[in-house]
Amino acid sequence: DTAVSQTPKYLVTQMGNDKSIKCEQNLGHDTMYWYKQDSKKFLKIMFSYNNKELIINETVPNRFSPKSPDKAHLNLHINSLELGDSAVYFCASSQVQGKGYGYTFGSGTRLTVV
Amino acid sequence: QKEVEQDPGPLSVPEGAIVSLNCTYSNSAFQYFMWYRQYSRKGPELLMYTYSSGNKEDGRFTAQVDKSSKYISLFIRDSQPSDSATYLCAMSVGSNYKLTFGKGTLLTVNP
Repeated sequence: DTAVSQTPKYLVTQMGNDKSIKCEQNLGHDTMYWYKQDSKKFLKIMFSYNNKELIINETVPNRFSPKSPDKAHLNLHINSLELGDSAVYFCASSQVQGKGYGYTFGSGTRLTVV
Repeated sequence: QKEVEQDPGPLSVPEGAIVSLNCTYSNSAFQYFMWYRQYSRKGPELLMYTYSSGNKEDGRFTAQVDKSSKYISLFIRDSQPSDSATYLCAMSVGSNYKLTFGKGTLLTVNP
């Protein structure tokens, strides 16, 4: 039973399209995150939600809009996709808020914009 | 200067070797220090975490933190081919709700 699951695993789309990535966690965690990993494997936070409330928006373009319908779900919608958006997007969750340990990551969504 | 700098590698060692992976950081507000392991095409998984200077051991893995020098290390003893992965250091400030990662070191352990 997967703890943090993301769909889809792979996404290939054309520039200008709009796409969504979904994330669900069954760990009962209060905080969920979106991280972006670029081609050089550098992982950087995009958003953090605690109990459905946006806590961190790390200077991400407005084309990216997260939505948390409940504390077990955090979705990411991307408008007007650009070539530079190609990356692996990881969802994560944690229980001990802000203390840094107990993060569980999903297996990632590999987005390719052509 | 980046907040977290990690020895870039890649690192290739024979099976059974002792591996040392290192990160330095500039933000003295970091309180929590972690090491994650990431296999190819998988998400990072937590290996070790600590919040104080000194050593923490878990099986073949030892995490070392030196807050005065702003330096953390991960040692792997008796390395195995199954340890081949990218190792990422990560740090956080207590209530900041985010991890700041190093760029990762790709380790290959050759049988």
